[in-house]
Amino acid sequence: ELKVEQNPLFLSMQEGKNYTIYCNYSTTSDRLYWYRQDPGKSLESLFVLLSNGAVKQEGRLMASLDTKARLSTLHITAAVHDLSATYFCAVDGGNEKLTFGTGTRLTIIP
Amino acid sequence: KAGVTQTPRYLIKTRGQQVTLSCSPISGHRSVSWYQQTPGQGLQFLFEYFSETQRNKGNFPGRFSGRQFSNSRSEMNVSTLELGDSALYLCASSLGDRVHEQYFGPGTRLTVT
Repeated sequence: ELKVEQNPLFLSMQEGKNYTIYCNYSTTSDRLYWYRQDPGKSLESLFVLLSNGAVKQEGRLMASLDTKARLSTLHITAAVHDLSATYFCAVDGGNEKLTFGTGTRLTIIP
Repeated sequence: KAGVTQTPRYLIKTRGQQVTLSCSPISGHRSVSWYQQTPGQGLQFLFEYFSETQRNKGNFPGRFSGRQFSNSRSEMNVSTLELGDSALYLCASSLGDRVHEQYFGPGTRLTVT
């Protein structure tokens, strides 16, 4: 059974700082997704990572995938308040079945 | 392009009742997946339909069922509701090719009393 672990679960960081969220998964997969969820809202797609070594960047967020290590990272550069949200990684175990990590609740402190 | 729509957005039911939730995917998307989100269990996969066929199913009891119509719209049914079924139910649509991401609807907030 595919298991997906994210850490940290909670992250408070000051504006302007950099940090990384980690996503580890237990079985082979070459499809990993990052989503953002604001309180009381649905999930917003951030990145689709489809191969080993894939790197995607959008604004202050950059995601990467290492399928050999079964690890994806979401790096936040020079955080701003608007990035406060819960971030989920999700691994495709086959046939569109996504297994989600526990989520990382990110709070950016002015 | 319209996004994924779900109805109703909020629902309050009594234990033992049944409920049907509806999801309309993005035009052109043939895959619809359902997820349950709770504070305790997080986001869990329920099932996925592609061209009216269930392709995958999560580890939920048989009280949870679904179907997909020829226009790709999907419904999810929960019978004999339990208090633990209170959750945000999210549906997601995609092209179903495992290349493109799933787009999520706003969710249906179900409260069982």
